Amino acid sequence: EVQLVESGGDLVQPGRSLRLSCTTSGFTFSDYAINWVRQAPGKGLEWVGLIRSTPYRGTTEYATSVEGRFIISRDDSAGIASLQMNGLKAEDTAVYYCARGYGAYKYWGQGTLVTVSS
Amino acid sequence: DIQMTQSPSSLSASVGDRVTITCQATRDISNYLNWYQQKPGKAPKLLIYDGSNLETGVPSRFNGSGSGTDFTFTISSLQPEDIATYYCQQFDNLPYTFGQGTKLEI
Repeated sequence: EVQLVESGGDLVQPGRSLRLSCTTSGFTFSDYAINWVRQAPGKGLEWVGLIRSTPYRGTTEYATSVEGRFIISRDDSAGIASLQMNGLKAEDTAVYYCARGYGAYKYWGQGTLVTVSS
Repeated sequence: DIQMTQSPSSLSASVGDRVTITCQATRDISNYLNWYQQKPGKAPKLLIYDGSNLETGVPSRFNGSGSGTDFTFTISSLQPEDIATYYCQQFDNLPYTFGQGTKLEI
């Protein structure tokens, strides 16, 4: 069974950093891209970024709103993707989901809440 | 960035009604469009991929059509369990973008 589980969400002050993890099982992790999608409270979905699969060199892409502040990485041996969030702003407050794939996201995690507030 | 405009933003309908949601892209995205259903407190669920393909296990009352810049999502006969928010998403060009959502109420 394919599973993705996010962790690491927390209350953090503006300007600080936080690292989220997406722990996976049930599939060959290195064969798949992992995306991060977020949802601010009461708002719609926003694509944050992706890391390509290892055959595609694990390169990354980001939304304009987070480029230069967020970094996505992957550990194929552990089946974990990470989202390093630096310079956090109040507008980064959201539930963060990881999702598998390049286009259509059939598999998602349950989400982890990040709250940026002083 | 490609902007996706969904219409309407909210919709009230009755059980058995035919429901239609539209999604318009700011430029040609061929058929690189998906539709998701999201219920409160849950992750989105993929319903339609590549514009018109029904995801495995999704009831046939859900349908997607369109290509280029204009897309339509239809529920042929609304059921109580269809109460949710629906999103379109383009994956033709990075950054991938979602529509703002359509909240469906009965």
